[in-house]
Amino acid sequence: AQSVAQPEDQVNVAEGNPLTVKCTYSVSGNPYLFWYVQYPNRGLQFLLKYITGDNLVKGSYGFEAEFNKSQTSFHLKKPSALVSDSALYFCAVRDVSGGSYIPTFGRGTSLIVHP
Amino acid sequence: SAVISQKPSRDICQRGTSLTIQCQVDSQVTMMFWYRQQPGQSLTLIATANQGSEATYESGFVIDKFPISRPNLTFSTLTVSNMSPEDSSIYLCSSWVTGGRTDTQYFGPGTRLTVL
Repeated sequence: AQSVAQPEDQVNVAEGNPLTVKCTYSVSGNPYLFWYVQYPNRGLQFLLKYITGDNLVKGSYGFEAEFNKSQTSFHLKKPSALVSDSALYFCAVRDVSGGSYIPTFGRGTSLIVHP
Repeated sequence: SAVISQKPSRDICQRGTSLTIQCQVDSQVTMMFWYRQQPGQSLTLIATANQGSEATYESGFVIDKFPISRPNLTFSTLTVSNMSPEDSSIYLCSSWVTGGRTDTQYFGPGTRLTVL
């Protein structure tokens, strides 16, 4: 079984400040972890993923995420937020050992960056 | 990576009619997926469409309501049949690009459907 939790419906941050969007997961085996961003009236855009290797993953638009196995977390971070980062962010997990290519998506976190 | 396009991007339809959404991928992919997203909500998987086989539907979704075609490795259609206002949603096409570390799921821009 696989599940993912995004505990915050909304995150507010001032422009220029660091941002964190939280994600925790649960899988039976090893996880593939993904972050996607959805801008208004758009589809989901792939940001970054963790499959194996370095725990710190760098992705598009200056975002990065850290895989923490002991805490089963994969929080999304950015050192300096931009107003244009305001969007809906989705975390997703897929159990590598499960044999299925169907990931489970979190409910999404709305990021609002204030000027 | 994969670039996915969908047509139409949006539509407003009358109750009882049907709408077919087209999805085109710029490369050959084995697995394609159709999702529904209610406004401000997460994604709900409707079905998995693999070329050469019948689509596999998730609980709560049936073929009579959401028939799917997958005629080749780059194209799929989803039809929303006998529509009601409850079908108003964003419909997203998706595909997996596989190959070890390249395993990634990509999404189309979505089709925003409003049923009156």
